[in-house]
Amino acid sequence: QVQLQESGPGLVKPSQTLSLSCTVSGDSIRGADDYWNWVRQQPGKGLEWIGSIYHTGTTYYNPSLKTRATISIDTSKTQFSLKLTSVTAADTAVYYCAREVMITFGGVLDIYYGLDVWGQGTTVVVSS
Amino acid sequence: EIVLTQSPGTLSLSPGERATLSCRASQSVSNSYVVWYQQKRGQAPRLLIYGASSRATGIPDRFSGGGSGTDFTLTISRLEPEDFAVYHCQHYGPSPPKTFGQGTKVEFK
Repeated sequence: QVQLQESGPGLVKPSQTLSLSCTVSGDSIRGADDYWNWVRQQPGKGLEWIGSIYHTGTTYYNPSLKTRATISIDTSKTQFSLKLTSVTAADTAVYYCAREVMITFGGVLDIYYGLDVWGQGTTVVVSS
Repeated sequence: EIVLTQSPGTLSLSPGERATLSCRASQSVSNSYVVWYQQKRGQAPRLLIYGASSRATGIPDRFSGGGSGTDFTLTISRLEPEDFAVYHCQHYGPSPPKTFGQGTKVEFK
């Protein structure tokens, strides 16, 4: 059974870089149908997709965060990571990592399952 | 960019009642790419419905999804105490690849 666990500092100073990792256990991070995502939830608000990565290193980003977010993957460690630069108080949130499953057939998306496995989330506060 | 608008913001109901939640897209989208999640207080979201109407593994059949085009619904036929939570809809599309609605809270009346 696949499990995801976020890790990283819970407090980051304004203008600094937020760095989080997500460790995947119980499944290969190289799954052909799997994409690895970061999602955040600011206090009292809805979910905001940050970006995702495929095991080949191909990345996808929310345009609103693209200039500040970088997602990377280390398949040998079964980890993927998020870096968010120049943080402000608005980046205070619970950050989740999640697996997304997309089944393709002949190079075309056939079944989209959504984000089916989530980490428990980690709270990051941006404050001096 | 496709915007998802969920309504109502809060739904006040009693156990045993039927809950109907709405998710409206700013433009027509494929059923195949509409997903619903449940999020209980202090927990990560849980996948409920994919492809607008298919239940994820282990999801009770009191949960059902439907709709097409721009209007999608999540229905809970008879609310159980553990169903009081926040529900999010999500769409997979070209750009940005994923968008979420703002959520609907189902609370005890």
